[in-house]
Amino acid sequence: DQQVKQNSPSLSVQEGRISILNCDYTNSMFDYFLWYKKYPAEGPTFLISISSIKDKNEDGRFTVFLNKSAKHLSLHIVPSQPGDSAVYFCAASGDITDKLIFGTGTRLQVFP
Amino acid sequence: GAGVSQTPSNKVTEKGKYVELRCDPISGHTALYWYRQSLGQGPEFLIYFQGTGAADDSGLPNDRFFAVRPEGSVSTLKIQRTERGDSAVYLCASSLTAGTGDTGELFFGEGSRLTVL
Repeated sequence: DQQVKQNSPSLSVQEGRISILNCDYTNSMFDYFLWYKKYPAEGPTFLISISSIKDKNEDGRFTVFLNKSAKHLSLHIVPSQPGDSAVYFCAASGDITDKLIFGTGTRLQVFP
Repeated sequence: GAGVSQTPSNKVTEKGKYVELRCDPISGHTALYWYRQSLGQGPEFLIYFQGTGAADDSGLPNDRFFAVRPEGSVSTLKIQRTERGDSAVYLCASSLTAGTGDTGELFFGEGSRLTVL
């Protein structure tokens, strides 16, 4: 049972445009959501997070939106840069002390 | 070192053999996690240590898998009687405090790629 789902395995975006990565979850007890980025042969690195009391969190070019009623979150990258090309994982946890449950990832390719 | 260190980076073994994977977390991090990532999948939780004790081992797939952290720092993931299905990248992560902390940041190592022939 996949509790965190990323239904788009890949996304291709032109440099300078917006990248939108989507994530759905099924467990209504999830309270904390995170995005990680992973380059080949490296471990995932933390990108941005959001708690359920918020619906938006912004950090530079990266913004995460949370829609709790739809159990959906999205990551917006604008403007997209070639260095953003990586696999992006959505993750969720029940509370701030709980383990992370990861989605299957979306491979983003940003082309010039 | 500054980051989470995992050894070996690559391990090829034969079915039925015993394997140990080591994780050296960031100094001072009390929480340590093991995840497994199979091809085309996201990291899958295995076990989490808070200090020396396993706070949550609900992700270990069966009793062939075992992990220790005897001094609250370095951890070893042990796999007995390996099977081809155990082939994956085993990721270790650490954090300063339990769970995801204020920022949600787990610091991951580069992983140990295990191939069981």
